[in-house]
Amino acid sequence: DAGVTQTPRHEVAEKGQTIILKCEPVSGHNDLFWYRQTKIQGLELLSYFRSKSLMEDGGAFKDRFKAEMLNSSFSTLKIQPTEPKDSAVYLCASRDNNNQAPLFGEGTRLSVL
Amino acid sequence: GQQVQQSPASLVLQEGENAELQCNFSSTATQLQWFYQSPGGSLVSLLSNPSGTKHTGRLTSTTVTKERRSSLHISSSQTTDSGTYLCAIDPHTGKLTFGDGTVLTVKP
Repeated sequence: DAGVTQTPRHEVAEKGQTIILKCEPVSGHNDLFWYRQTKIQGLELLSYFRSKSLMEDGGAFKDRFKAEMLNSSFSTLKIQPTEPKDSAVYLCASRDNNNQAPLFGEGTRLSVL
Repeated sequence: GQQVQQSPASLVLQEGENAELQCNFSSTATQLQWFYQSPGGSLVSLLSNPSGTKHTGRLTSTTVTKERRSSLHISSSQTTDSGTYLCAIDPHTGKLTFGDGTVLTVKP
């Protein structure tokens, strides 16, 4: 069984650029999450989809972060424009339902210069 | 305030010793999960334990729902247990809120 696949694994961007991170959830999973992980803030939820519908758009992350799920097998997270404080590991996770633990991808490590 | 608080922030053990990790949460939770993250790695689910006691291998989790706390006991620690242990709850929202984790170092 394929797990959650995230690409790219590493991304380096200059301040002001637009970057798009990609995630393929586990086939058949209904829920998809985007999290950001930093040493200072820990894991912060960016977006949450259920059956492709956006359930949570991450509050404070709304203005420059946009997650989309155009079909059940693919999601993107766009950061526009990037800022140095966006440097972090971005994790995507999926699960079948509320009673299951989500499966996490390997993450994308973003560095913004 | 922070919904999920974990203690200790870090823990150093000699191989063979036991570890006790704590998680306190401020909301009622429909789900409580423990995850492991290896250094530089991704998160792996260890146990789902919204209430009561659960065992898997050398891990035992006890959650007292009324007191909004959970513990994770690791017996006979091994060097390969080193990493970060994260507690997460679902406070009836469908999404998980994570604590900051406990960094465990097991020395040979």
